[in-house]
Amino acid sequence: QVQLQESGPGLVKPSQTLSLTCSVSGASISGGDYYWSWVRQPPGKGLEWIGYIYSSGSSYHSPSLKSRVAISVDKSKNHFSLTLSSVTAADTGVYFCARGTMDYYASGGFDYWGQGTLVSVSS
Amino acid sequence: DIVMTQSPDSLAVSLGERATINCKTSQSVLYSSNNRNFLAWYQQKPRQPPKLLISWASTRGSGVPDRFSGSGSGTDFTLTISSLQAEDVAVYYCHQYYGTPWTFGQGTKVEIK
Repeated sequence: QVQLQESGPGLVKPSQTLSLTCSVSGASISGGDYYWSWVRQPPGKGLEWIGYIYSSGSSYHSPSLKSRVAISVDKSKNHFSLTLSSVTAADTGVYFCARGTMDYYASGGFDYWGQGTLVSVSS
Repeated sequence: DIVMTQSPDSLAVSLGERATINCKTSQSVLYSSNNRNFLAWYQQKPRQPPKLLISWASTRGSGVPDRFSGSGSGTDFTLTISSLQAEDVAVYYCHQYYGTPWTFGQGTKVEIK
């Protein structure tokens, strides 16, 4: 059973850097054909994809977040991380990590999700 | 970016009746080489993460009841709940994974009439 769990500070001050980690169990982060992703949800609003790091180590993030985003992986700990710099109140929301897949013989999209962690940006 | 537009934004359906949600993409998400639509549907209940219901536009996820079905191709897609149950009250999102940045629809809230 694949499980993902987000961890990190629940409160970040404006202009500082948000850092979150997603710990993965039940699957190797460096194996298979997966897109280890971050998705966020502002309070009362919809879902926004932030970016992913592929099993090979390559990463891609949404251009809307410009150069503020970095996604990295620690294979030895089987986790991946998100850093978002220069945060503002608009970055407040629930941050989910999720596994993306394009398995033609199984599923596509995000098949496993963490429970999400609320991050508030406030002084 | 591929823009996803869902309709309606909300709907109220009687228990046992059919609920239909539409999703339109700003460009085709059909990959011609394998004839697959890179389109998924999720259900999100309050204070829970989204749950994958449908991928490849019409393939139900593991353990998803068969009252949920997906259809459509190219730019127009539909999620149908054939007989609404109380536990189906949720917000439903479509999502394209055809091209980066991956994008979601704005969500459709389903309630009981």
